[in-house]
Amino acid sequence: DAEITQSPRHKITETGRQVTLACHQTWNHNNMFWYRQDLGHGLRLIHYSYGVQDTNKGEVSDGYSVSRSNTEDLPLTLESAASSQTSVYFCASRGENTEAFFGQGTRLTVV
Amino acid sequence: AQSVAQPEDQVNVAEGNPLTVKCTYSVSGNPYLFWYVQYPNRGLQFLLKYITGDNLVKGSYGFEAEFNKSQTSFHLKKPSALVSDSALYFCAVRDRPGRRALTFGSGTRLQVQP
Repeated sequence: DAEITQSPRHKITETGRQVTLACHQTWNHNNMFWYRQDLGHGLRLIHYSYGVQDTNKGEVSDGYSVSRSNTEDLPLTLESAASSQTSVYFCASRGENTEAFFGQGTRLTVV
Repeated sequence: AQSVAQPEDQVNVAEGNPLTVKCTYSVSGNPYLFWYVQYPNRGLQFLLKYITGDNLVKGSYGFEAEFNKSQTSFHLKKPSALVSDSALYFCAVRDRPGRRALTFGSGTRLQVQP
């Protein structure tokens, strides 16, 4: 069965370090998204991609970057981790006429 | 711009009673509306969507939602709540077909008491 997986599931890192969260989907969806989930804010869009070599900023993109070198993967990089980036991160993918499918999430703690 | 409001942080209901989780939206065009559920330590699972057609949409696990254009609402409902329905529920919207991302509400925690 097709799926979307995130790794790692849990990560603890130090302030100032670069961190990359992986997202891999086997749905062959063109559209992929990264959200962060924080109490009281729901899910907020960080970055998204409509296809290979396409990336776009969401509403909370500062301090994050993504790259899309193939259809299956959209890694999220925190260039210099900050305590404000402690959160749960969700990756999602969607076809042109389907609902979005979400990964299990990555809980990131920046100490 | 598109936005979603879920006015209740938490909804409490007794098992067997009907439940309603409220959602209102704001979009510039015709809305595409969605409900997702999140169980502890899990990702979001799709429940149902409204694209066009009948205002009453039926989804997974006995849930349904009613689209009301005049009130810009898309409330989630279930005739008889189960303890296993206890979870975090998110309403989401996008305002046109194609590839734009969903905008989510802040979520409503549903607690069903035995």
